[in-house]
Amino acid sequence: EPEVTQTPSHQVTQMGQEVILRCVPISNHLYFYWYRQILGQKVEFLVSFYNNEISEKSEIFDDQFSVERPDGSNFTLKIRSTKLEDSAMYFCASSGAGYSNQPQHFGDGTRLSIL
Amino acid sequence: GIQVEQSPPDLILQEGANSTLRCNFSDSVNNLQWFHQNPWGQLINLFYIPSGTKQNGRLSATTVATERYSLLYISSSQTTDSGVYFCAVLPNKAAGNKLTFGGGTRVLVKP
Repeated sequence: EPEVTQTPSHQVTQMGQEVILRCVPISNHLYFYWYRQILGQKVEFLVSFYNNEISEKSEIFDDQFSVERPDGSNFTLKIRSTKLEDSAMYFCASSGAGYSNQPQHFGDGTRLSIL
Repeated sequence: GIQVEQSPPDLILQEGANSTLRCNFSDSVNNLQWFHQNPWGQLINLFYIPSGTKQNGRLSATTVATERYSLLYISSSQTTDSGVYFCAVLPNKAAGNKLTFGGGTRVLVKP
């Protein structure tokens, strides 16, 4: 069964540095998402992406964050000038085209630790 | 926005026991998914179930969309069922496709 793959599985970065989290969505999917889970808390939506542009973003997704689909297969989340509170598990997801009532398929996550 | 409440927050089971987890939501939905988060943090998709009943091995789920709740049944629980179970919904009226997650039910199955 096709999977969403994320790299790296764990990233440790000094505060103030930039990080790029990478995702390869399922190949025929057209909707892409990033979610975040701070340790011990619920999973929160960050951003959705369709047709090479952001379709929706949460209050968390401020100017520090950006997303990009640099080629036909990768989907990235960039966090500039990281802060301690950015430490979390970041999940990428993708879903099929056409309409909203399609399941979202999640990757295994990237655990980001800011020191 | 839509509210998603899960109960109970914590559940301790003896191996072999059965249990029911509940997810209540405050508005009509297009999409409802159940996930199991294992001890490594991975989110495992269990069910896509905006309405009706589905079964997968020892797990089954039922969503009663008109009454705005979903149930996840675990039968003959095993230690590998331990972890956190999340439901997540996509409201009918949502402009985008963002899933809203509940707070989860933390399950511990003891041998």
